[in-house]
Amino acid sequence: ETGVTQTPRHLVMGMTNKKSLKCEQHLGHNAMYWYKQSAKKPLELMFVYNFKEQTENNSVPSRFSPECPNSSHLFLHLHTLQPEDSALYLCASSRDRGISPLHFGNGTRLTVT
Amino acid sequence: SQQGEEDPQALSIQEGENATMNCSYKTSINNLQWYRQNSGRGLVHLILIRSNEREKHSGRLRVTLDTSKKSSSLLITASRAADTASYFCATDDQTGANNLFFGTGTRLTVIP
Repeated sequence: ETGVTQTPRHLVMGMTNKKSLKCEQHLGHNAMYWYKQSAKKPLELMFVYNFKEQTENNSVPSRFSPECPNSSHLFLHLHTLQPEDSALYLCASSRDRGISPLHFGNGTRLTVT
Repeated sequence: SQQGEEDPQALSIQEGENATMNCSYKTSINNLQWYRQNSGRGLVHLILIRSNEREKHSGRLRVTLDTSKKSSSLLITASRAADTASYFCATDDQTGANNLFFGTGTRLTVIP
């Protein structure tokens, strides 16, 4: 158990669907992150939240919409996705935004049909 | 971009042998971290080394950092079949904001 729980583990959605990915951390951390992992590509940092405030948005298309209601929960809302958005979406947390290790969840495997 | 690049892409060794993986990066860093990922799982943090450190150890793991060459290495000694995984290095962007950038990883296979 990593202390970071992601649901669902697998998700198949059509291009016109709306779905949400959920992440919850039980580590008392203040920073939370969304990463995208595609085959043969480096992990892509998507969004960063610190104390519920978004601090990074790395040019992510608007069809991905993050939400952080509190320091323990992070959501990624998905709508009108493309097949190339199929990937493993990883949530991570860290103690704060200073130099510290990331604690990852096991990810949501997303397939867009 | 700042992301690290691991080398080799894949490595296959016999159990008991040592495994060495390398990481190169392009711009100055505050810290470099190594992670492992088992198939279908999230990444697990292994070691963090700061830019003013040259070497760190943790159990069977040894990490070196050469900031003049912008490179790092991860050595796993006396490998075990359970070490089979992908290994990633991650570097920050020197803003101090813990934005970590990962490479594509080294796929290590340890043959029993």
